[in-house]
Amino acid sequence: DQQVKQNSPSLSVQEGRISILNCDYTNSMFDYFLWYKKYPAEGPTFLISISSIKDKNEDGRFTVFLNKSAKHLSLHIVPSQPGDSAVYFCAAVATGTASKLTFGTGTRLQVTL
Amino acid sequence: EAGVAQSPRYKIIEKRQSVAFWCNPISGHATLYWYQQILGQGPKLLIQFQNNGVVDDSQLPKDRFSAERLKGVDSTLKIQPAKLEDSAVYLCASSLAPEKLFFGSGTQLSVL
Repeated sequence: DQQVKQNSPSLSVQEGRISILNCDYTNSMFDYFLWYKKYPAEGPTFLISISSIKDKNEDGRFTVFLNKSAKHLSLHIVPSQPGDSAVYFCAAVATGTASKLTFGTGTRLQVTL
Repeated sequence: EAGVAQSPRYKIIEKRQSVAFWCNPISGHATLYWYQQILGQGPKLLIQFQNNGVVDDSQLPKDRFSAERLKGVDSTLKIQPAKLEDSAVYLCASSLAPEKLFFGSGTQLSVL
């Protein structure tokens, strides 16, 4: 039962353009969402998060959008840089419960010159 | 601030052998997690500790996997006996807030 889905296993974007990574979830109890970034041979690192009371959160070049009715969130990176090339994991949790963080399968982003 | 330390970085064993992984979390982080990441999949929680007590081990294959966190700091994860399907990266993470985890670099296990 995949409660968090990232349907695009890979994405290639030209440097300077916008990267859009998508994530869908099925569990309506999820109320906090996070994006983690992972370089090869390293552990995932926290990138940005959003609470379900918001529909947008911005941090520099990174913006996360949440559409609760569609159970969909997306990560926008503008402008994309070669250093952004990594695997991006979407994760979700139902706060205030004993629920654990549930990760998606990841999207590999490659930013080309 | 030192991050989450894990060792070894790589381990190759034959099936039916045993293996142990070690994790030292960020100082002051009461919560410690062990995740298994199989190639092409997202990290899956194996066990979560709060100090030295187990909060969630519902997805830990207890017939072969065991974990402990003595004195509420370091933790070890053991597999005995290992199976081919245990080949994965084993990630340790720690946190202050339950949502924002800090991960170590992981141990890549290959079971032949």
